Amino acid sequence: DIVLTQSPASLAVSLGQRATISCRASESVDSYGNSFMHWYQQKPGQPPKLLIYRASNLESGIPARFSGSGSRTDFTLTINPVEADDVATYYCQQSNEDPFTFGSGTKLEIK
Amino acid sequence: QVQLQQPGAELVRPGASVKLSCKASGYSFTSYWMNWVKQRPGQGLEWIGMIHPSDSETRLNQKFKDKATLTVDKSSSTAYMQLSSPTSEDSAVYYCASGRYDYFDYWGQGTTLTVSS
Repeated sequence: DIVLTQSPASLAVSLGQRATISCRASESVDSYGNSFMHWYQQKPGQPPKLLIYRASNLESGIPARFSGSGSRTDFTLTINPVEADDVATYYCQQSNEDPFTFGSGTKLEIK
Repeated sequence: QVQLQQPGAELVRPGASVKLSCKASGYSFTSYWMNWVKQRPGQGLEWIGMIHPSDSETRLNQKFKDKATLTVDKSSSTAYMQLSSPTSEDSAVYYCASGRYDYFDYWGQGTTLTVSS
């Protein structure tokens, strides 16, 4: 199985500043010209919400403050600027290989 | 709008099977994969498997091959996941999530399954 390692496990960012979350895959998640890495936001008591699909594509309705980048094994989710509503846990997920796997999550708090 | 309706909670005795439901509306049920995801309290997300409602093609995480069975009822646009011989390790929130093959656009609110005598 592809293991996704997220870092940091938690971070505290001041309002209006940049938050950067990393996701490293144990092997490449690239195929057919796509990177099969996706990002979700989960707030307490709610289901996850898709933010970014295939590494860098912003899901409809998601603010442009969210962006994704990366390829092969190294991926980044950036939130800039951070707003109070962004307090949540963020997960990466790969779908290049069965079984699909998720990272362990990064908890974002406001400093 | 797209909705995936799941019961909020289910209680099952250890060893008795349970069938969780997910009723879809607001989109073409047979056009998108339906996934199931497990989340234990305070833990991360675990993909159980997915089924395509058009032909019931199923992809299952091998970890759950003896635990979960995925089915659909096209007539009612409902997906089901049956869990066999549940134990305390199966107590969790179970989400259904629809989408294209590789990512999950829409999620249900989740069913909290409690395995207890």
